[in-house]
Amino acid sequence: DQQVKQNSPSLSVQEGRISILNCDYTNSMFDYFLWYKKYPAEGPTFLISISSIKDKNEDGRFTVFLNKSAKHLSLHIVPSQPGDSAVYFCAASVTGTYKYIFGTGTRLKVLA
Amino acid sequence: EPEVTQTPSHQVTQMGQEVILRCVPISNHLYFYWYRQILGQKVEFLVSFYNNEISEKSEIFDDQFSVERPDGSNFTLKIRSTKLEDSAMYFCASSRLANLETQYFGPGTRLLVL
Repeated sequence: DQQVKQNSPSLSVQEGRISILNCDYTNSMFDYFLWYKKYPAEGPTFLISISSIKDKNEDGRFTVFLNKSAKHLSLHIVPSQPGDSAVYFCAASVTGTYKYIFGTGTRLKVLA
Repeated sequence: EPEVTQTPSHQVTQMGQEVILRCVPISNHLYFYWYRQILGQKVEFLVSFYNNEISEKSEIFDDQFSVERPDGSNFTLKIRSTKLEDSAMYFCASSRLANLETQYFGPGTRLLVL
């Protein structure tokens, strides 16, 4: 039961360019979404979130876009830096529950 | 910056044994969670805990599992009679009541059941 899907297992981007990570979901009840970054041997680190009442949220180099009609969200990282190389997970929940459903992750590699 | 800590970082146990995984959430957080990630798979929710009670649990969290907040700082996950398939990375997380949506994760405990 893959309610949250990240169809690209990996992505390579040149330093300074834009990284775009995608996430699709199937449960129309989801109304809160987060992106986490995970380095090897560490726990996921919160990056940015978005509520379904918005279609965009920006925090520094990170912007999350939400397209509710397409049940799609994306994370843009501009400019990408080598330190951004990690696995990125999107996660979703229904308001009032805090049981996050995670995607399978996308491994981002930023090449110097 | 305050962070969630977990002990031990690695645990190896024999099948059928009981293990207790420990977590110290961020001090002003009141909502706690356990997740697990089997190698190569996605992070899966196990349980959330608030006010000394389980708030939600997944179908994975069966009678083999229990959680406890034995004192004011620790939050534990007990796995009774471990099975081979319990081998995974177990992550604890916590969040503030004022911002429940943002969960802060610990570094994880890698459990290996032999």
